[in-house]
Amino acid sequence: NAGVTQTPKFQVLKTGQSMTLQCAQDMNHNSMYWYRQDPGMGLRLIYYSASEGTTDKGEVPNGYNVSRLNKREFSLRLESAAPSQTSVYFCASSDERNTEAFFGQGTRLTVV
Amino acid sequence: KNQVEQSPQSLIILEGKNCTLQCNYTVSPFSNLRWYKQDTGRGPVSLTIMTFSENTKSNGRYTATLDADTKQSSLHITASQLSDSASYICVVSDRSNYQLIWGAGTKLIIKP
Repeated sequence: NAGVTQTPKFQVLKTGQSMTLQCAQDMNHNSMYWYRQDPGMGLRLIYYSASEGTTDKGEVPNGYNVSRLNKREFSLRLESAAPSQTSVYFCASSDERNTEAFFGQGTRLTVV
Repeated sequence: KNQVEQSPQSLIILEGKNCTLQCNYTVSPFSNLRWYKQDTGRGPVSLTIMTFSENTKSNGRYTATLDADTKQSSLHITASQLSDSASYICVVSDRSNYQLIWGAGTKLIIKP
């Protein structure tokens, strides 16, 4: 039982490049989330998906897009990376919106 | 504005000693309060979730308390072990939209 799996674990991008962060969960959870974590700050919600086929903006959605491909997978896309998007990105899932969330191991992204 | 403040920012204690971490919040309306443990380079892992009616909740050597009147919570760690070295994050759920408000965390270092 892998839980929440994120790929890649590390990535370096040049300004303006695009990439997609992948996330998959095997717990049959309805809700999935993308967060970013910056030094000295709490996690901030980028986007979430309450159920398959739905997505909603979180606190810091600008510069990102998401796709809830099916119940298991929720991807985050950076269309044109900027240095301000240098961060650690976490995917999470939960059974319902207000229940315990389980996190992946994170993707450390550096934009130069 | 919904906020979660944690203290201290960092703490160093000797192995075997006890410690208490503090969390103050202004989130309203309140749904639940969570404590997460985050090891360096890993995703957060849930320790406890407490609702309005719960004053105390334990998970092994971890005991969380909640005072919903004063909007304060604490996490007490008993007989600390080297593996307790991590960041401990307090998170409060807003009942109006189930948004999670994350604290910046307390970085705990256990020295042998």
